[in-house]
Amino acid sequence: GENVEQHPSTLSVQEGDSAVIKCTYSDSASNYFPWYKQELGKRPQLIIDIRSNVGEKKDQRIAVTLNKTAKHFSLHITETQPEDSAVYFCAASGGGADGLTFGKGTHLIIQP
Amino acid sequence: DAEITQSPRHKITETGRQVTLACHQTWNHNNMFWYRQDLGHGLRLIHYSYGVHDTNKGEVSDGYSVSRSNTEDLPLTLESAASSQTSVYFCASSLTSHEQFFGPGTRLTVL
Repeated sequence: GENVEQHPSTLSVQEGDSAVIKCTYSDSASNYFPWYKQELGKRPQLIIDIRSNVGEKKDQRIAVTLNKTAKHFSLHITETQPEDSAVYFCAASGGGADGLTFGKGTHLIIQP
Repeated sequence: DAEITQSPRHKITETGRQVTLACHQTWNHNNMFWYRQDLGHGLRLIHYSYGVHDTNKGEVSDGYSVSRSNTEDLPLTLESAASSQTSVYFCASSLTSHEQFFGPGTRLTVL
């Protein structure tokens, strides 16, 4: 089955700086890669996703890049703000309506 | 507004008891999923369903069962609760093949 590795487990950045979270996946058949943000005690919220036919996608301060050859994808957050503090999860899935395989999460801390 | 709900939000039970967690969505999504979330493991897929009367096992299905008798509901049953099943359980649904939206979660404690 699919295996998703996520790094780092904790990331602390100064407010206004950029943050990058990286994930690798094992199954070359995976074609959908979402990122979820989860605040303490809340449900995971989809913030951005990318499909295997696209190399990069951007939504305001958030961007995701995908390298299919290397089987890795990354989340980039620019101009970080205090409200960006949360746990971020990457995930991967194959075709159809398969369930998601998640990474173990990155705790992003924005230092004032 | 359409939404996805879970009940109960918190549950304490004893080892060996049968427990059922409810998940209800009003989006008319065909696909529904159950995950558990544990520290150090992230979210792991328990069971999923593509539609009425369809169920499939996920990564950590042992000790759990689901049934899908209508589009809106996918209840998760723990046949004989074990302490290892203490966790936060999230239900999710999707219309298309990919974008999944999560319910608020159920915190289950098995004593």
